[in-house]
Amino acid sequence: QVQLVESGGGLVKPGGSLRLSCAASGYIFSDYYMSWIRQAPGKGLEWVSYISSSGSILYYADSVKGRFTISRDTAKNSLYLEMNSLRAEDTAVYYCARKGYNAEFDYWGQGTLVTVSS
Amino acid sequence: DIQMTQSPSSLSASVGDRVTITCRASQSFSRYLNWYQQKPGKAPKLLIYAASSLQSGVPSRFSGSGSGTDFTLTINSLQPEDFATYYCQQSYSTPYTFGQGTKLEIK
Repeated sequence: QVQLVESGGGLVKPGGSLRLSCAASGYIFSDYYMSWIRQAPGKGLEWVSYISSSGSILYYADSVKGRFTISRDTAKNSLYLEMNSLRAEDTAVYYCARKGYNAEFDYWGQGTLVTVSS
Repeated sequence: DIQMTQSPSSLSASVGDRVTITCRASQSFSRYLNWYQQKPGKAPKLLIYAASSLQSGVPSRFSGSGSGTDFTLTINSLQPEDFATYYCQQSYSTPYTFGQGTKLEIK
């Protein structure tokens, strides 16, 4: 069965950095686009970034462009999100999700909480 | 960016009721519309993709319809486990955007 497990969240000071990871299993990782989606406490869902199956196509939300970098390692079946220059408004649960063939997010991880606070 | 507006923002209903949630897009995009269910403390779960296709394993009481700018999610014969927050999402163009959510509560 498809499983996505995020890790790497935690408390970081404004201006700091953090790297999130998402370990995928149960399917051929290299066949699918992957995405990061976040949810601030008590708020709705916000798409953050996606990466193509080959890693050659990257897209970011304007709110994170230039500060966040998405990447993937097919050998490790893993997705990453490098987050720099973190701000209080980046505080959220970050989910990794698989992008299905109709561009829907068909499987999600359990999420990892990132808190940006001094 | 495509703006997604859901209505209502909250809804009270009883077990056995039929409910409809609507989602309106700021521009037309055929059927690139998906619906998710989220329960407190849990990740969202895909219910409907491409406006009307039922995700595998999702009960048939859930259905979706619409195209262009207006879409609906219908839940027939509400069950206790259906009380949750529902989100629509367009996958037509980046940035992919979600509706603000509809919280379905027990009356």
